[in-house]
Amino acid sequence: EAGVTQSPTHLIKTRGQQATLRCSPISGHTSVYWYQQALGLGLQFLLWYDEGEERNRGNFPPRFSGRQFPNYSSELNVNALELEDSALYLCASSRRDGSNQPQHFGDGTRLSIL
Amino acid sequence: RKEVEQDPGPFNVPEGATVAFNCTYSNSASQSFFWYRQDCRKEPKLLMSVYSSGNEDGRFTAQLNRASQYISLLIRDSKLSDSATYLCVVTPNTGGFKTIFGAGTRLFVKA
Repeated sequence: EAGVTQSPTHLIKTRGQQATLRCSPISGHTSVYWYQQALGLGLQFLLWYDEGEERNRGNFPPRFSGRQFPNYSSELNVNALELEDSALYLCASSRRDGSNQPQHFGDGTRLSIL
Repeated sequence: RKEVEQDPGPFNVPEGATVAFNCTYSNSASQSFFWYRQDCRKEPKLLMSVYSSGNEDGRFTAQLNRASQYISLLIRDSKLSDSATYLCVVTPNTGGFKTIFGAGTRLFVKA
């Protein structure tokens, strides 16, 4: 079974630009979660998508947005990039069948803002 | 009080040692519990689920104490490869979106 895949692996941008990160969940998983992890810090919850809808978002400004496609893959968009957006962005997926399933993570996208 | 609290460590132990981590949670409605392992600059990986009766996976033992609202992870016969950050994860019974990841406990195993 293929795991969660994220692309690109690395992304280098400058301040003010826009970044798009992509995630494909494990087959059969309908929920996709996005997290930000700055160097040396813990995971910060960004967004949760399920069945194509945004179900919840963390304490991040509106320039962080995303969507989930009919095939359950997802995009995270970050507009007007700032230096402090430099971090590892992790995508995770899980089943959403009413039971409590663990989240499985992709390798992440390392976003660097110059 | 944080929803999930862990001792950040670091724990420095010699190979072969037994080491234990605790994690406390504040939401008594929490239903599912997991331990993840995260290597430096890598993604978290599921280590094991934590069941009410306690469970073991090789050298790893996880326990849950609902009355005191804490979970624990015991690592026996530590290996150099066990060096990582261990994340405590708690989920309420309303689904995965409110999953809370602890900040992690750093473990260094030395030869």
